[in-house]
Amino acid sequence: QAVVTQEPSLTVSPGGTVTLTCGSSTGAVTSGHYPYWFQQKPGQAPTTLMYDTSNKQSWTPARFSGSLLGGKAALTLSGAQPEDEADYYCLLSYSGAYVAFGGGTKLTVL
Amino acid sequence: EVQLVESGGGSVQPGGSLRLSCAASGFSFTDYWMHWVRQAPGKGLVWVSRISPDGSSTTYADSVKGRFTISRDNAKNTLYLQMHSLRAEDTAVYYCAKISLVWGQGALVTVSS
Repeated sequence: QAVVTQEPSLTVSPGGTVTLTCGSSTGAVTSGHYPYWFQQKPGQAPTTLMYDTSNKQSWTPARFSGSLLGGKAALTLSGAQPEDEADYYCLLSYSGAYVAFGGGTKLTVL
Repeated sequence: EVQLVESGGGSVQPGGSLRLSCAASGFSFTDYWMHWVRQAPGKGLVWVSRISPDGSSTTYADSVKGRFTISRDNAKNTLYLQMHSLRAEDTAVYYCAKISLVWGQGALVTVSS
């Protein structure tokens, strides 16, 4: 099964912009992988931020956006807030056969 | 309120079995693929299995194939994960999820002698 890669950790300043990426060992990530993004804070269950590349849930703050960038899925946070400090996971679907999570990115707002 | 509530977690010896349940409410359970995802202590999310809306199609991660069985009862809006031949490395919080919408709170499974 494919390996999905994410940056292990990133740091962003309050009010700053950061992009998290999600790559695949099988090649370029496309819309056909239906990329998802999830946020998980310590001691809590994950919540879904983004699905099908760029579709937000109703609770997803407007400062988050999803896209495809340079052969990867990307989650961009513009105007970071202290409450955005969390672990972020992407998920890719592989031709309906299986899905796979990335290893997660620990985002620090500092 | 859209909600998933897991139950059935606990401690079991290596080689043992356990069945997790996940009760869904607040959305049309019968229309959607459902997933099980696990998270070992201090580690990342790992996809375990998924099942089609009518239960006819199932897929598993290689690590659990042949040992775990996912199923659903659409009349009861409930998802299940039957786990056999449990190993220490299966120790984790198990989440059920409709991954585009809602996650359960998780059920802890501990495999230890």
